[in-house]
Amino acid sequence: DQQVKQNSPSLSVQEGRISILNCDYTNSMFDYFLWYKKYPAEGPTFLISISSIKDKNEDGRFTVFLNKSAKHLSLHIVPSQPGDSAVYFCAASDGGTASKLTFGTGTRLQVTL
Amino acid sequence: NAGVTQTPKFRVLKTGQSMTLLCAQDMNHEYMYWYRQDPGMGLRLIHYSVGEGTTAKGEVPDGYNVSRLKKQNFLLGLESAAPSQTSVYFCASRHGRTSYNEQFFGPGTRLTVL
Repeated sequence: DQQVKQNSPSLSVQEGRISILNCDYTNSMFDYFLWYKKYPAEGPTFLISISSIKDKNEDGRFTVFLNKSAKHLSLHIVPSQPGDSAVYFCAASDGGTASKLTFGTGTRLQVTL
Repeated sequence: NAGVTQTPKFRVLKTGQSMTLLCAQDMNHEYMYWYRQDPGMGLRLIHYSVGEGTTAKGEVPDGYNVSRLKKQNFLLGLESAAPSQTSVYFCASRHGRTSYNEQFFGPGTRLTVL
């Protein structure tokens, strides 16, 4: 049972435009959400996070929105740059013992010139 | 700081062979994790540790064992490798002081079992 879902395996966006990556979850106990970025042959790197007490968190070109009632979050990147081309993973934690993360399957973003 | 390092980077095993993957972190993190990443599956938690001398099972622990004898090291062992264990393995660590901290990942170990 996939508790964190990223239904779009890939996304292509032109440089300078907005990239919107989506993530849905089913577990109501999740209270902290993170986005990771992964380049080929490297480990995932933390990008941005949001607590369930907020509905928006912004860091430079990256903004994460959380809609708890819909169990949906999205990552907005604006403006998109070629260096943003990577696989993006959504992850969720229930804050329990060890704050284990449950990951989505990832969305491959390609930013074209 | 080197962050999280993993040894080796690549390995090819034959079915039935054993091996140990080493993860080391120099950030004095309390919590450490082992994940595997397979195509179309995202990252799945194998085992984790909340402190030196403690380990616990994650989502997919079968066929693996772990040990955390020192705070900075977390070892993942395969006693009898199987082709189903062909995967990319990632180690991660994080501070345990608060609930809402990100995990820091190593560069990964690509393992092929023939």
